[in-house]
Amino acid sequence: NAGVTQTPKFQVLKTGQSMTLQCAQDMNHEYMSWYRQDPGMGLRLIHYSVGAGITDQGEVPNGYNVSRSTTEDFPLRLLSAAPSQTSVYFCASSPFRSLRTENQPQHFGDGTRLSIL
Amino acid sequence: RKEVEQDPGPFNVPEGATVAFNCTYSNSASQSFFWYRQDCRKEPKLLMSVYSSGNEDGRFTAQLNRASQYISLLIRDSKLSDSATYLCVVNVLGDTGRRALTFGSGTRLQVQP
Repeated sequence: NAGVTQTPKFQVLKTGQSMTLQCAQDMNHEYMSWYRQDPGMGLRLIHYSVGAGITDQGEVPNGYNVSRSTTEDFPLRLLSAAPSQTSVYFCASSPFRSLRTENQPQHFGDGTRLSIL
Repeated sequence: RKEVEQDPGPFNVPEGATVAFNCTYSNSASQSFFWYRQDCRKEPKLLMSVYSSGNEDGRFTAQLNRASQYISLLIRDSKLSDSATYLCVVNVLGDTGRRALTFGSGTRLQVQP
């Protein structure tokens, strides 16, 4: 079972470069999200999506774009990389059948370790 | 104020000890609560959901106090393999009316032989 697949696992960028972090899930989950994790900060939500064609901003959306053209894929784009975006990025998915659905745990990918020089 | 707050620790305990982690959340409309475990340089993994009546899974017990907006995790008979960071997670209502999970910063546990 593939679950949630993130690529690449590691990436080094120069300031100002753009790139896309890929995330794919094969569990037919409606809900997908992107987090960044920095030392001592825990996971902070960047963007999330409750279904194809629907995206919303999380806690720290600035500098990132997302789209959700299919249920399976939820790419995260860095428009112009900055050193402050050096972090570990996690993609996650879960079933999300209604706004009132409770106790839906998330399945995480292995993470992408991104360094901006 | 953070939406989900945890004591960062670290908690250093001997094997066999009982250890308790606490978590408070600020949004009274929160409906779903979880504890996740994260090993060093790994992805978070669900440890257990937290139900209103409290729930137990082997050596782990989770409690929820909605009135105080407080969640706890109790680990009995600690094992070396319990060493990890424990993340408190709350399902909160976003500005657009949609729900999203919010993570606490985590509490690090180190069980020593």
